[in-house]
Amino acid sequence: DTAVSQTPKYLVTQMGNDKSIKCEQNLGHDTMYWYKQDSKKFLKIMFSYNNKELIINETVPNRFSPKSPDKAHLNLHINSLELGDSAVYFCASSQVSYGPTDTQYFGPGTRLTVL
Amino acid sequence: SQKIEQNSEALNIQEGKTATLTCNYTNYSPAYLQWYRQDPGRGPVFLLLIRENEKEKRKERLKVTFDTTLKQSLFHITASQPADSATYLCALVKREYGNKLVFGAGTILRVKS
Repeated sequence: DTAVSQTPKYLVTQMGNDKSIKCEQNLGHDTMYWYKQDSKKFLKIMFSYNNKELIINETVPNRFSPKSPDKAHLNLHINSLELGDSAVYFCASSQVSYGPTDTQYFGPGTRLTVL
Repeated sequence: SQKIEQNSEALNIQEGKTATLTCNYTNYSPAYLQWYRQDPGRGPVFLLLIRENEKEKRKERLKVTFDTTLKQSLFHITASQPADSATYLCALVKREYGNKLVFGAGTILRVKS
């Protein structure tokens, strides 16, 4: 009965490779997010989708491309991986995109290590 | 520039005492503020939300205050237990479409028995 799930949990890859992280939520939420948590533990939003529509796109390199096939899924594809991409990536979801009940539910995270 | 600051050093307290964590912000006008708990190797878990027009919010042993004049939120855990040991993150919600949460770096709380 996992609410927000991510795969894989760990991802170790070489510089220059392309990789994807998958996220699924079974909460029936309309909005999903991708966050990056770096070594200093800052959690920064990267993207947000509301019902498959991109609504937040922070200053993220074009190598990062989110894809939402339906409102329960938000995948993150990363091209030409660089050392600085090493971090923990969290997927999250919320019921609405703006309002008093918009607490966010986070997945367990994907630890990406680029060698 | 906009900043959210939380105690950078870990807070060590004795079991049974009240833990108080601070979140200060500058150059924001948040609609509301949230507190999350994060355990090692896990995603943040929502704890409490407080709106700009609320002074205080409580949930069991947790209490949050929000002072928009001081630009500060305090997070209290009363009768703390070792199981409360974790990193606590404050997050501001900005007044814009997209429910953009801006997080502080978090404060590590260690409760010793």
